[in-house]
Amino acid sequence: SQQGEEDPQALSIQEGENATMNCSYKTSINNLQWYRQNSGRGLVHLILIRSNEREKHSGRLRVTLDTSKKSSSLLITASRAADTASYFCATDAQSGGGADGLTFGKGTHLIIQP
Amino acid sequence: SAVISQKPSRDICQRGTSLTIQCQVDSQVTMMFWYRQQPGQSLTLIATANQGSEATYESGFVIDKFPISRPNLTFSTLTVSNMSPEDSSIYLCSVKTGYTEAFFGQGTRLTVV
Repeated sequence: SQQGEEDPQALSIQEGENATMNCSYKTSINNLQWYRQNSGRGLVHLILIRSNEREKHSGRLRVTLDTSKKSSSLLITASRAADTASYFCATDAQSGGGADGLTFGKGTHLIIQP
Repeated sequence: SAVISQKPSRDICQRGTSLTIQCQVDSQVTMMFWYRQQPGQSLTLIATANQGSEATYESGFVIDKFPISRPNLTFSTLTVSNMSPEDSSIYLCSVKTGYTEAFFGQGTRLTVV
């Protein structure tokens, strides 16, 4: 079952602005991952952050993880029209030994206005 | 990394019929997963399919409705049986190895009429 909540559910910003999405989860995790989905198709992996990490960068992406609050944020800087998509966080539970499927948050639909 | 081919990409089916979705991976993987994404919603795990053992289903999903085969380490099928309009969703297969990123097929968009 889904355990994560993401906010906002929808976000519309102007091209060039920064976009921040938040994710909360409920159980102990080994890692948290962020994915992008364009137009209801397959998911593209963006970044993975492990439970012993607090911040991670990849290009224009910055992810933070606060395990004490069971929350994460994804920041996309200098947004582009091509960033328009749905973004999902997903957790990999510590209890599963790596053999479990991921638990997804509800997602944020991001629209970049040109 | 893994490249996953999923077929069909979309289908429109009559209620009461069944559809089998195929998932082919370009490398051998132990763990394969099937997810459902209802319209406008997030992904929900249906089951875990490991080669050589029966699939493990999540709460709310049963084998009679979603039978899964995993004949080898590169292939799996998911059947959606006795379909109703409520089964209209995107179905995605996925693989991962341990605590790493998951790879997804492009999904099968199913519409039941």
